[in-house]
Amino acid sequence: DQQVKQNSPSLSVQEGRISILNCDYTNSMFDYFLWYKKYPAEGPTFLISISSIKDKNEDGRFTVFLNKSAKHLSLHIVPSQPGDSAVYFCAASAGTDKLIFGTGTRLQVFP
Amino acid sequence: DTGVSQDPRHKITKRGQNVTFRCDPISEHNRLYWYRQTLGQGPEFLTYFQNEAQLEKSRLLSDRFSAERPKGSFSTLEIQRTEQGDSAMYLCASSATSGGSLWETQYFGPGTRLLVL
Repeated sequence: DQQVKQNSPSLSVQEGRISILNCDYTNSMFDYFLWYKKYPAEGPTFLISISSIKDKNEDGRFTVFLNKSAKHLSLHIVPSQPGDSAVYFCAASAGTDKLIFGTGTRLQVFP
Repeated sequence: DTGVSQDPRHKITKRGQNVTFRCDPISEHNRLYWYRQTLGQGPEFLTYFQNEAQLEKSRLLSDRFSAERPKGSFSTLEIQRTEQGDSAMYLCASSATSGGSLWETQYFGPGTRLLVL
């Protein structure tokens, strides 16, 4: 039972353009959502989060949008840079609880 | 650097051997989590501690797995009688539950990559 889904295994974007990574969830108890970036052979690095009381959160080039009715969130990166090339994981939790992760989306930013 | 640290970073062992991994959380983080990640998957929850108390264990954590956090600081994860299916990246994360906060952010260490031959 995949409670958090990232349906796009990969995404390729030109440098300077916008990258949009999507995530869907099924458990209505989830109320905190996070995005992590992961390079090979390293642990996930926290990027940005959003709680269920908000629908948008921004941090520099990164913006996360939450649509609770659709159980959908997205991460926007603008402008995309080559250093953003990595695997991005969406994660969700119910309160202060364990994280449930999606399977990741590999982002490649090309010049 | 005061991030989460894990040791060793890599471990190769033969099937049937025991292995132990260590995690040092961010100072003053009272929660410590263990996750496992296999190829093509996201990290999967194994267990977590609040201070020294182990509060939840996943059904993924078979009897061959044991975790401890004896003084509420560092934690160890031991796998007995390793099997080839135990080959994975073992990730540790820590977080702080501050009074009244409804949510917490988990910060991950670099992981220990285990290969069982």
